[in-house]
Amino acid sequence: QSALTQPASVSGSPGQSITISCTGTSSDVGGYNYVSWYQQHPGKAPKLMIYDVSNRPSGVSNRFSGSKSGNTASLTISGLQAEDEADYYCSSYTSSSTFVVFGGGTKLTVL
Amino acid sequence: QVQLVESGGGLVKPGGSLRLSCAASGFTFSDYYMSWIRQAPGKGLEWVSYISSSGSTIYYADSVKGRFTISRDNAKNSLYLQMNSLRAEDTAVYYCARSGPADYWGQGTLVTVSS
Repeated sequence: QSALTQPASVSGSPGQSITISCTGTSSDVGGYNYVSWYQQHPGKAPKLMIYDVSNRPSGVSNRFSGSKSGNTASLTISGLQAEDEADYYCSSYTSSSTFVVFGGGTKLTVL
Repeated sequence: QVQLVESGGGLVKPGGSLRLSCAASGFTFSDYYMSWIRQAPGKGLEWVSYISSSGSTIYYADSVKGRFTISRDNAKNSLYLQMNSLRAEDTAVYYCARSGPADYWGQGTLVTVSS
């Protein structure tokens, strides 16, 4: 069982917006602003999409945004495109000895 | 451009050892923390280990503590993961990644632990 909880799957139609949640505890998501989101297409290495809760690396579309409320972080993708279909993982710094924890991943299907 | 190239994966018997390497280029390696992250077949990501830029600070996942050792050679722009007492559940693709947040990843190297 992963330390952070994500829905197993979400779906949306092209042009719509979707939100993926990532729930942790006060020892990780809720306690620090060090939440990241990664996109992974089949057979490829993950790609950083959001860091420090809401910051986008250079080159990442502004259709991707991140936020946090309490122990739950969220990734929102607006204007869904076919190329957004992928697995998405959240991660967070944690005060436990593990240091970094991942969510179990969410499969996004673009209908 | 930033490049990370892993090597050293392969098939090993339970209880065996393997050493993974990650060759870095395109950035000042000695300025960055580095991580090893793995992904079992069909499963999610699992952070394995993390090392500071100087190598003085190291963390391990509980699942590998006492069996795996992370190290780096800043003169050679290289990151390593020595894996001992390997188990079937260590079977995964192992990625090296430049950290803070893992902003650059290698292509991964497959480690298979099986008799």
